[in-house]
Amino acid sequence: EAGVAQSPRYKIIEKRQSVAFWCNPISGHATLYWYQQILGQGPKLLIQFQNNGVVDDSQLPKDRFSAERLKGVDSTLKIQPAKLEDSAVYLCASSLLTGRNEQYFGPGTRLTVT
Amino acid sequence: QKEVEQNSGPLSVPEGAIASLNCTYSDRVSQSFFWYRQYSGKSPELIMSIYSNGDKEDGRFTAQLNKASQYVSLLIRDSQPSDSATYLCAVILSFRYALNFGKGTSLLVTP
Repeated sequence: EAGVAQSPRYKIIEKRQSVAFWCNPISGHATLYWYQQILGQGPKLLIQFQNNGVVDDSQLPKDRFSAERLKGVDSTLKIQPAKLEDSAVYLCASSLLTGRNEQYFGPGTRLTVT
Repeated sequence: QKEVEQNSGPLSVPEGAIASLNCTYSDRVSQSFFWYRQYSGKSPELIMSIYSNGDKEDGRFTAQLNKASQYVSLLIRDSQPSDSATYLCAVILSFRYALNFGKGTSLLVTP
């Protein structure tokens, strides 16, 4: 079974530029998550989708971050404009919508904002 | 914000010893508990999940849950240098929600 796919793996941009990340979840997984992991910290949820609807975006900085999952499969996370503090690893995870909710992570995208 | 607390370490154990990693959480109604392993530069990998009070064993790993004390732990028996990584404790209020992570404990297994 293929795992969660993410691209790109690395991205370097200047502050105030825009960037987009892509995620393809495990086949059949209805729930998709975007997490931000800053060095030395645990991952922090940015947004959670169930199929193509948003379940939780309470910690998403909506003035600069946006995300979509139009067909209930792939998802895109965008940052515009980027700030220095956005330098982090952006992790996508997916899970079956069951009582256990075991989540599986993709390889992540390491973003450096200069 | 519900808290998940872990000692950041590093926890150093000799090869072959038992490594004990601990985690406390603040929300008494939490239902599901997970341990993820994260190697440097890699993404978190799920190694254990536990949902009921008591112990759950999987190979060299044992997860222990005590909901009354709001405490979950991970024991690694016969520790190997390849176990050297950061171990993240994650808690979920219910299956509808995302994971709430601790900061992780760095484990170093010395040959």
